[in-house]
Amino acid sequence: GAVVSQHPSRVICKSGTSVKIECRSLDFQATTMFWYRQFPKQSLMLMATSNEGSKATYEQGVEKDKFLINHASLTLSTLTVTSAHPEDSSFYICSARDSLAGDQETQYFGPGTRLLVL
Amino acid sequence: GQNIDQPTEMTATEGAIVQINCTYQTSGFNGLFWYQQHAGEAPTFLSYNVLDGLEEKGRFSSFLSRSKGYSYLLLKELQMKDSASYLCAGMDSNYQLIWGAGTKLIIKP
Repeated sequence: GAVVSQHPSRVICKSGTSVKIECRSLDFQATTMFWYRQFPKQSLMLMATSNEGSKATYEQGVEKDKFLINHASLTLSTLTVTSAHPEDSSFYICSARDSLAGDQETQYFGPGTRLLVL
Repeated sequence: GQNIDQPTEMTATEGAIVQINCTYQTSGFNGLFWYQQHAGEAPTFLSYNVLDGLEEKGRFSSFLSRSKGYSYLLLKELQMKDSASYLCAGMDSNYQLIWGAGTKLIIKP
């Protein structure tokens, strides 16, 4: 149980284009999902907390107009990197909490999406 | 401020035991997590401690002392596949995870 998928796993795009990353909880409902970014050899950095049916909460320094988050259902959250630039190249990872589980604190991670902007 | 400290790197021998320590300072406390992350992959959940004491799960055990702000992850019968980074994360009063930088564990034959 508690499986989270991400799509795509890897994407290469040209500078200036937009990229959408999907995060799905496959066997549980997730009212809350999280989006992280991780640069090589660095720790996870929380970008935003995504709540189903409401606006995402962004961490300080993260541009909400550049990283658009939509959490339209209990099993799907999307992150769109708009007008991507080479400095946005990173490993983007989502995680989700099981809303109905007894242990609601544990975050389960998707496999990550590696973005390369040329 | 909030802070998680863990060693940057550790080396151990296949078949041996290794203990990875973590000290934490969080605003409020709602538990301590350990995750394993292999290079190029997303983290996978290992353990969650919210009460003092040792929780054993197969070859992996996790310990928590809330009064000392201290936790450790114990790995027994080390295997080569255990080579990975081990992330310690504390959950604060807002249920936000505060992440450590990770401990890179190198297993030698």
